[in-house]
Amino acid sequence: EDQVTQSPEALRLQEGESSSLNCSYTVSGLRGLFWYRQDPGKGPEFLFTLYSAGEEKEKERLKATLTKKESFLHITAPKPEDSATYLCAVQSGNKLVFGAGTILRVKS
Amino acid sequence: KAGVTQTPRYLIKTRGQQVTLSCSPISGHRSVSWYQQTPGQGLQFLFEYFSETQRNKGNFPGRFSGRQFSNSRSEMNVSTLELGDSALYLCASSRGSLNTEAFFGQGTRLTVV
Repeated sequence: EDQVTQSPEALRLQEGESSSLNCSYTVSGLRGLFWYRQDPGKGPEFLFTLYSAGEEKEKERLKATLTKKESFLHITAPKPEDSATYLCAVQSGNKLVFGAGTILRVKS
Repeated sequence: KAGVTQTPRYLIKTRGQQVTLSCSPISGHRSVSWYQQTPGQGLQFLFEYFSETQRNKGNFPGRFSGRQFSNSRSEMNVSTLELGDSALYLCASSRGSLNTEAFFGQGTRLTVV
């Protein structure tokens, strides 16, 4: 069965303190790994899609990387507005299988 | 361009009633998926429609059903509501295959009392 595990469950950072979120997955034939950001009371907001090991994508302070077993979301010099829940998902057939998410809090 | 629109945003229903939620995808997107989000279970897949056909279904009871219209708009119906059905229901649209970007709506917050 396809599975996605995210760690840590929660992360508190000081503004400017860089860190990484982890997403490990088991899926038969990866067709896509997705990162989303979700703010309280809102739907997930698409961030990145990664398709193959070694691929990297960047957007502002965020950089996503992919290996054969896991993906990392690196946050460089975070700001308070980066506080959110970050969700990782893999494509399994015609559905997305989500991890439980990492709750990120950035304090100024 | 307009995003994914879900209506209503909030809903309160009584146990035993039924409810219909609506989702209008991004123009040009033919795939609509539905997810249930709860604090305990996270985001769980309900079903996916493409060109009015259900392509995939998650592990939810038959009380949960859906359909898609020719304009790609989709509805989800839950019959005989139970307290455990209280959740945020999200729909996502994408162009076709899911290994393109899937965009989510704001969700419908359903409370069953």
